[in-house]
Amino acid sequence: QKEVEQNSGPLSVPEGAIASLNCTYSDRVSQSFFWYRQYSGKSPELIMSIYSNGDKEDGRFTAQLNKASQYVSLLIRDSQPSDSATYLCAVGPYMNYGGSQGNLIFGKGTKLSVKP
Amino acid sequence: EADIYQTPRYLVIGTGKKITLECSQTMGHDKMYWYQQDPGMELHLIHYSYGVNSTEKGDLSSESTVSRIRTEHFPLTLESARPSHTSQYLCASSVQQGNMNTEAFFGQGTRLTVV
Repeated sequence: QKEVEQNSGPLSVPEGAIASLNCTYSDRVSQSFFWYRQYSGKSPELIMSIYSNGDKEDGRFTAQLNKASQYVSLLIRDSQPSDSATYLCAVGPYMNYGGSQGNLIFGKGTKLSVKP
Repeated sequence: EADIYQTPRYLVIGTGKKITLECSQTMGHDKMYWYQQDPGMELHLIHYSYGVNSTEKGDLSSESTVSRIRTEHFPLTLESARPSHTSQYLCASSVQQGNMNTEAFFGQGTRLTVV
């Protein structure tokens, strides 16, 4: 059973600080990795995708992928109260798997709270 | 911006009623999904489809059924609603590129309350 693990939090950071969100996955041959933001009562919104080892930056967000360690992280610089949400890590398995094993696997999410 | 739409956004219905939750996408995605999510809880995949006339049950058992007669449309039906079906239902779609899953885009969700 392939798994995606996230610390459920809550992770509390002061406004302006760097928030660091972590995710580990069990399937070594996973191909694609995503971070979603979900506000309370809303649907998940894609904020970052990463496919290769290393860092990928988009504005205040940086995704980091280390396939050897099976680890993907999201850094949020200059955190704002509006960043307070649950962040979902999703992992895309190798598509030659049949049936439901070919679907994205979502972690349970980490709740982030940014205090003014 | 993702073009995936769910209707209705909110639905309050009595026990025993039949309901259909609509989901449509205009991106031509082959893969579509239904997730169930209770407040503050994780996503649970209840149905998925890899294309027209293809539907499969997901990881969480559900009394709902789905159909995929057209690429863009993936409705979910509950034949007889019960209070235990009260939840948020999220539709999503994605495309496969070679052997790789790409990102899934979500609709705005339907919040269902069965009284």
